[in-house]
Amino acid sequence: QVQLQESGPGLVKPSETLSLICTVSGGSMNHYYWSWIRQSPGKGLEWIGYIYYGGSTNYNPSLKSRLTISLDTSKNQFSLNLSSVTAADTAVYYCARFYGSSDAFDVWGQGTMVTVSS
Amino acid sequence: DIQMTQSPSSLSAYIGDRVTITCRASQSISSYLNWYQQKPGKAPSLLIYGASTLQGGVPSRFRGSGSATDFTLTITSLQPEDFATYYCQQSYSTPKYTFGQGTKLEI
Repeated sequence: QVQLQESGPGLVKPSETLSLICTVSGGSMNHYYWSWIRQSPGKGLEWIGYIYYGGSTNYNPSLKSRLTISLDTSKNQFSLNLSSVTAADTAVYYCARFYGSSDAFDVWGQGTMVTVSS
Repeated sequence: DIQMTQSPSSLSAYIGDRVTITCRASQSISSYLNWYQQKPGKAPSLLIYGASTLQGGVPSRFRGSGSATDFTLTITSLQPEDFATYYCQQSYSTPKYTFGQGTKLEI
């Protein structure tokens, strides 16, 4: 069965770029939308954006100006880059698979805590 | 943005009880409503999609209903493993999917 695993730094300085990678194992990346979602105590669950296996992207308008999601199907990975971070970006970051047939996030990574602090 | 409002925010119940959690959308979302369960320190997991379709492997005591703006998640005969936080999420409005604030179900 498909499994997702996030990786990346747990601490990022303010104004720098938050970079995370999600590795997909046990299945193909084809025909799915690969998403990032974050969860913070103050804002609950927030959808960040997704990238389709074909490469098209869709971003949360509130983050769009700072956000890049990219895909490397040869490595079965997709990544998140969020620039100019502030303390408000401190959260648990999840990668998740969005399945078009159910219009739902049906597989999630375990999540990784990212703290923005100097 | 479509706002999702869950009620109650928290709920206490006993093993064997039947409980209902409500989710209301700020505008019609047809049946593009999903429910997730999250246990402490874990990622959310999909319970129900399309308002009423059970995800594979989810026990039949979980039931979803509703359409347009009003939805419910019902758990019949609560089991110890059901005590968790539940979230609704709409998939009607892209590019901004939104979640409810969560309902914490406690013993």
